[in-house]
Order: sequence, then structure tokens, then C-alpha cells
Amino acid sequence: AQRVTQPEKLLSVFKGAPVELKCNYSYSGSPELFWYVQYSRQRLQLLLRHISRESIKGFTADLNKGETSFHLKKPFAQEEDSAMYYCALSGYNQGGKLIFGQGTELSVKP
Amino acid sequence: GAGVSQSPSNKVTEKGKDVELRCDPISGHTALYWYRQSLGQGLEFLIYFQGNSAPDKSGLPSDRFSAERTGGSVSTLTIQRTQQEDSAVYLCASSLGGADNEQFFGPGTRLTVL
Repeated sequence: AQRVTQPEKLLSVFKGAPVELKCNYSYSGSPELFWYVQYSRQRLQLLLRHISRESIKGFTADLNKGETSFHLKKPFAQEEDSAMYYCALSGYNQGGKLIFGQGTELSVKP
Repeated sequence: GAGVSQSPSNKVTEKGKDVELRCDPISGHTALYWYRQSLGQGLEFLIYFQGNSAPDKSGLPSDRFSAERTGGSVSTLTIQRTQQEDSAVYLCASSLGGADNEQFFGPGTRLTVL
């Protein structure tokens, strides 16, 4: 079965601290993995995807197929990073429909 | 350019009534998706349209839910005989299609069933 698990509902860190939002997935095959973010009173938007292998707003995520993980990391959190983060996967030949995790609320305190 | 738009932004209805939610995708996007965001269930896939292909309805929770996409553009999600558990934010997204393409989300319609 396809599944995305984000074990932390809430993650609270201080400004300047490193942050890691965990994501594990279950999928028989090679999925596409994404992180979407929703800032307060804004639309859900793409943060990054593993196929691009890029860093967005200082965030990176590495796909670890052995551990079936796609954790999101940032070395120095900023207050403006406070938001809801969703990990999602899209399966091959499934048209791009996204299976989301439950989401992790990141709170960065001053 | 214009993003994905949805209407209404809020809908309050009584249990048992039918509701229609509308989505206008980004022009040129061939793929359109509906998701539901609720407190207990998180973000769930509902239905997906790609071009002229038959829609993928695998995420619809019951036969009270249906959707159509006219002319490959605007989509309407219909919920018949609404129940309180249908209360949620209904999100629409569009993309160029394919597994690795970015989906652009609308602002959502918040549905409250009394």
C-alpha cells in the first residue's frame, strides 16, 4: 500500500537552530517525492521535489531508498519558516496524484 | 498570470442538501486534481482528470461524491445529501500532467455541514 508518514505533528525550534522534518514512505516501486508547504493564510505550494535535487529557501531533502525516507532539512531555521509542511509521493503511471503525509507544523521561535 | 481559482470560498449548508464546488485551473494545464483537507484525515486525494482520458475516481469516499470537467477546463465537484463528516476544505490543483510536475493549488472551498 502507498503511504506517507510524518511522525511529528508539531516541531518547535529556536531561530538559528537546525531543523529536520521527518518523512517515511511506503511504495512498491520508485515514486516521485515532494515537500509542499502552507504558510499561514496562503495556498499550499511546492517547496521542493527530489527529482530536481535543488535547495529552496535553504531547505534540502535527500531521497534514501534504503530507508524509504525523504527528510527535509535546514541548517539554520528562520522565523519565516514557520508553516505547515507536507511530504507527498506520486507513483509511476498514476497521473501525478499525490499521496500526502499528515503534515508537520514547524514553529520557529525568536 | 492567474492561478487556480475556486468558488465559493466558504459554503455552509444543512445536512442532506447537495452542494457544488467549482474550480478554474490554470490555462493550458491538462491535469486537474481534487483533494480534501480535514482535521482527522489530513490531505486526501479525491479525483483526477487528465485531458480527455477517463477520470481516476479512486479517492472518492462514497457515491455521493462526483465530479466533472467540462471542455477540459473548469471542474465541478458535487456532493449529494451532505453529511457532517463532509465538512472540510476542498482543494483543487492543476498541472501540466505527469508524476513529477508541480501541482498548483487553489485557495480552497471551506465546506461546513450543519
